[in-house]
Amino acid sequence: DGGITQSPKYLFRKEGQNVTLSCEQNLNHDAMYWYRQDPGQGLRLIYYSQIVNDFQKGDIAEGYSVSREKKESFPLTVTSAQKNPTAFYLCASSPRPGQATSNQPQHFGDGTRLSIL
Amino acid sequence: KQEVTQIPAALSVPEGENLVLNCSFTDSAIYNLQWFRQDPGKGLTSLLLIQSSQREQTSGRLNASLDKSSGRSTLYIAASQPGDSATYLCAVIWYNQGGKLIFGQGTELSVKP
Repeated sequence: DGGITQSPKYLFRKEGQNVTLSCEQNLNHDAMYWYRQDPGQGLRLIYYSQIVNDFQKGDIAEGYSVSREKKESFPLTVTSAQKNPTAFYLCASSPRPGQATSNQPQHFGDGTRLSIL
Repeated sequence: KQEVTQIPAALSVPEGENLVLNCSFTDSAIYNLQWFRQDPGKGLTSLLLIQSSQREQTSGRLNASLDKSSGRSTLYIAASQPGDSATYLCAVIWYNQGGKLIFGQGTELSVKP
């Protein structure tokens, strides 16, 4: 079955530590997205990538970094510069905007819950 | 600024009732509008997508409408069931924004048996 896999499901970060969240998709989608969800605030976009080797900052990119070396993978690193990392992180993918198939919903993974030790 | 708003934040209804969830958005130049369902601790499941040129979409007991001129969408749930209890999120993609979804804060629905 095609889908998006996020790992781990739960992650704990120590003070000053960088941690990386994994996101893999086998839907052959060009575009991938990372969102952060805090209670009562909905989802906010961290980074997005429309094609391999290219990505753009979203609304809350400070303290985060990404890479897009393969179409299937879009890992998110939460750096020590992110002072309030505790949140639920969701990865999504979709056909690239502008493609004939682009009017399709974004597919989401099951999320990673990050907490501070 | 392009924003999406959902009211109310929470809603509790008895089983069997028909209900409407509301979503409003600034700027009518949308590419599409999507409704998602989120169960506690889980990711999002797409329910309905309405393209800019459409007025409504239906799936089973769900019907979503779109009125771009007034900046509003509604999600109608017929004959609600306890299994419908979840958070419902509305999200919009605007043109020339790289396919980014802008989300509302969601409506938490509780259907009581």
